[in-house]
Amino acid sequence: QLHLQESGPGLVRPSETLSLNCIVSGGSISSGGYYWVWIRQPPGKGLEWIGSIYYSGATYYNPSLNSRVTISVETTKNQFSLNLRSVTAADTAVYYCARHLQGSDVFEIWGQGTKVTVSS
Amino acid sequence: EIVLTQSPGTLSLSPGERATLSCRASQSISNNYLAWYQQKPGQTHRLLIYAATSRATGIPDRFSGSGSGTGFTLTISRLEPEDFAVYYCQQYGTTPLTFGPGTKVEI
Repeated sequence: QLHLQESGPGLVRPSETLSLNCIVSGGSISSGGYYWVWIRQPPGKGLEWIGSIYYSGATYYNPSLNSRVTISVETTKNQFSLNLRSVTAADTAVYYCARHLQGSDVFEIWGQGTKVTVSS
Repeated sequence: EIVLTQSPGTLSLSPGERATLSCRASQSISNNYLAWYQQKPGQTHRLLIYAATSRATGIPDRFSGSGSGTGFTLTISRLEPEDFAVYYCQQYGTTPLTFGPGTKVEI
């Protein structure tokens, strides 16, 4: 059974870079032709799609974050990562990684989420 | 960007009752690419419905989706105790992919 687990620091200073990893277990990140995604939910607000990546490295991002975000994949470690630069308090959120339903921009399997606070 | 609005914000019902959740879009959703998710405390999000009406793998048939264009509905025909949760809609007809704010179904 596929399992996704987010990891990374829970506290990031303003203007620094938020870096998270999503470790995939129970299956290979590079098999099956799936896209993988980062989504976040600020406190008291709705879910926001950040961006998606294919195992080959092809990406597409939310235009609202495009200038600050990079998603990458490390197939040898069976994980993918999120880097969000120049963070502010508005980037405080629970960050989720997930896998797309094959051939679709729907999210079939989710991680539990990790809370990241941006504060000095 | 397509903005999704969900109503009501909270739905108070009893087990066995029918739940009807609404999701409205600020513009027509291409190909009716609308999905529904369930979120319960301490659990991961669960995909229920995609393409407006198709149930995801393993989803009981008491969950059904309907609608087209800008108006969509998730119906739970008879609420089970495990169905009390928050439900989100998501459109994937146009990027950026966007979500609604959620409807909480409570006892």
